[in-house]
Amino acid sequence: AQSVTQLDSHVSVSEGTPVLLRCNYSSSYSPSLFWYVQHPNKGLQLLLKYTSAATLVKGINGFEAEFKKSETSFHLTKPSAHMSDAAEYFCVVSDWGSYALNFGKGTSLLVTP
Amino acid sequence: NAGVTQTPKFQVLKTGQSMTLQCAQDMNHNSMYWYRQDPGMGLRLIYYSASEGTTDKGEVPNGYNVSRLNKREFSLRLESAAPSQTSVYFCASSEVVGSGVDTQYFGPGTRLTVL
Repeated sequence: AQSVTQLDSHVSVSEGTPVLLRCNYSSSYSPSLFWYVQHPNKGLQLLLKYTSAATLVKGINGFEAEFKKSETSFHLTKPSAHMSDAAEYFCVVSDWGSYALNFGKGTSLLVTP
Repeated sequence: NAGVTQTPKFQVLKTGQSMTLQCAQDMNHNSMYWYRQDPGMGLRLIYYSASEGTTDKGEVPNGYNVSRLNKREFSLRLESAAPSQTSVYFCASSEVVGSGVDTQYFGPGTRLTVL
C-alpha cells in the first residue's frame, strides 16, 4: 500500500533563506511522486513530479526535489524563499496501475520578511 | 483554455437538502476525479471516472453519487446533505487513470457548508 508522511505540519523561514519541506513515502512498487502547492483559497498547482527518470527533479518557481530510494524520501527544496512562496504544500504518491493519488496531510510554509 | 472549472464556488445548505456540484474540463482528458479536503487531512478521493461512461468509488464515497455526463463534464451529487459533508470539494482531470505517472489538474474548488 502506498502512503505519504509529511514530517512537518508547519515550516517558517525568513525571506531569502533556504526552504526544506520533508516527505517520506511508502510504496509497494516503483512510485511516481509529486509535489503540489495550494495558495490560500485556490486550487492545487503541480510544482514538480518524479517518474523514474532523473532522481533530481526541477520544478516551477525554483523548487526542486530529490528522490532517494534508500531513504524513501522526496524532500522539496528551494535555495531562497520568496514571500509569494507562502502556501500549503502537498507531497503525493501514486503507484503504477493505481487510480489513486495519496496525499500527505500538507505542510504550511510561512515566509517572514 | 480554462482548464478545470467548478460551479458553484460557495454553497450553504441545510441538513437534508440536496445539491449537485458541477465540473467541466476543456483539456480533452479521459479521466476525472472528485476529492474533498478537510483541515489537516490532505485530499481524499470520493469518486473517479476513468473514461466516459465509467465511474468508480474512491476512499470516501458514502453519501455521494456521481455522473459522467460526457467526456467534459463530471458532476457530484449530495442527495441528503449532512454536517459531516462540510468541506472543500475539488474536481480534477488527467489524461489516463492508472498510469501512475499522469498529472492531475485541479479546479479552484467549491466551499460547501452544511448547517
